[in-house]
Amino acid sequence: DTEVTQTPKHLVMGMTNKKSLKCEQHMGHRAMYWYKQKAKKPPELMFVYSYEKLSINESVPSRFSPECPNSSLLNLHLHALQPEDSALYLCASSQEQSLPYEQYFGPGTRLTVT
Amino acid sequence: TQLLEQSPQFLSIQEGENLTVYCNSSSVFSSLQWYRQEPGEGPVLLVTVVTGGEVKKLKRLTFQFGDARKDSSLHITAAQPGDTGLYLCAIPLYGGATNKLIFGTGTLLAVQP
Repeated sequence: DTEVTQTPKHLVMGMTNKKSLKCEQHMGHRAMYWYKQKAKKPPELMFVYSYEKLSINESVPSRFSPECPNSSLLNLHLHALQPEDSALYLCASSQEQSLPYEQYFGPGTRLTVT
Repeated sequence: TQLLEQSPQFLSIQEGENLTVYCNSSSVFSSLQWYRQEPGEGPVLLVTVVTGGEVKKLKRLTFQFGDARKDSSLHITAAQPGDTGLYLCAIPLYGGATNKLIFGTGTLLAVQP
């Protein structure tokens, strides 16, 4: 199983809402990532979890809160977002200790903030 | 300063044409990856090149890693509408427990039937 799944596929939320994005992988990968991607642009790294611990936070605003409940699951909690946060949110995983560090991506959650 | 520059940024061609996408930097890399992202999907890894001068083929796609390991190219022969998507090169940055991928600026390809 080389699949990374993400739910929901689409999400529309108001600026006062609280919602969560979910990601799951069953490849035994120990590194998981959240990316934000605007249309026609490359993905921008937000967070990296390595062995279920947050190892990279790319200066992401606190209205985005990641969580890694176990080695297979990754959540991104959203609160008080702004319209400019509308984007495709991608989850990815990789074998942390396996060079050359190839990543497997999920299909993404298309988020619209109204 | 962008670490990885891709060219062209946009490319619209007719089915059956050939094309080449370039990924360039002033730095030397240990390896380089190419991803393709189809509309509405996440990026999918196409290939990893590791050795300077290496050439890899994946059906109609030919990938080359520069001799000095500072650049790479992707050549598509007889493009098809299914090749449409965003092509991304990427390099791993190793920092102990903080390894991450650095993506290029992207090339958006549209193949018209």
